[in-house]
Amino acid sequence: DAGVTQSPTHLIKTRGQQVTLRCSPKSGHDTVSWYQQALGQGPQFIFQYYEEEERQRGNFPDRFSGHQFPNYSSELNVNALLLGDSALYLCASSLIGAAIKNIQYFGAGTRLSVL
Amino acid sequence: GQQLNQSPQSMFIQEGEDVSMNCTSSSIFNTWLWYKQDPGEGPVLLIALYKAGELTSNGRLTAQFGITRKDSFLNISASIPSDVGIYFCAGRTQTHTAQKLVFGQGTRLTINP
Repeated sequence: DAGVTQSPTHLIKTRGQQVTLRCSPKSGHDTVSWYQQALGQGPQFIFQYYEEEERQRGNFPDRFSGHQFPNYSSELNVNALLLGDSALYLCASSLIGAAIKNIQYFGAGTRLSVL
Repeated sequence: GQQLNQSPQSMFIQEGEDVSMNCTSSSIFNTWLWYKQDPGEGPVLLIALYKAGELTSNGRLTAQFGITRKDSFLNISASIPSDVGIYFCAGRTQTHTAQKLVFGQGTRLTINP
């Protein structure tokens, strides 16, 4: 049973560039969430996708956008990169609904460095 | 962004000692979660708490969901070297179509053999 997989594992970009990160959810899951984890901090919620729509969004600018595909996989896009966007980007998958046991499972993340 | 208040930020203990860490929030959560993160990995779920006052164990780990729904603690008994890592608390908000986690800043646990 494959868990949450993310690609690439590491990425180096320069300021002003654009980046796309990818995530495949755990088998059987239909919802993908993205988090940004700065060094020494806890993860911060960016947004969540279900049925190919953004369902909830954290306090991140419009430079951060996403997409979910019919197979439930997802992409995170960041435009006009800033030095402060350097972080570990985590993808988490779960089953939708308010069912109390629906837990988010995390991938290993993509480490983005902006120079 | 919103974060929970987690303490202590770091702990240096001897192998075999017990560990206690806690998390507080100004907001109410319906679910509290405790994750552990190793270097180069994503957070891994340790314990989930679903009801105010609930006390749950997972091996040497014990966690409680505060009565006010604004706090939680995690205890680790008889620590071993593989307990080293960063521990995060997280509060969950959820609706029928969305859920999100709000994390604490983490507690870094270091164990001297």
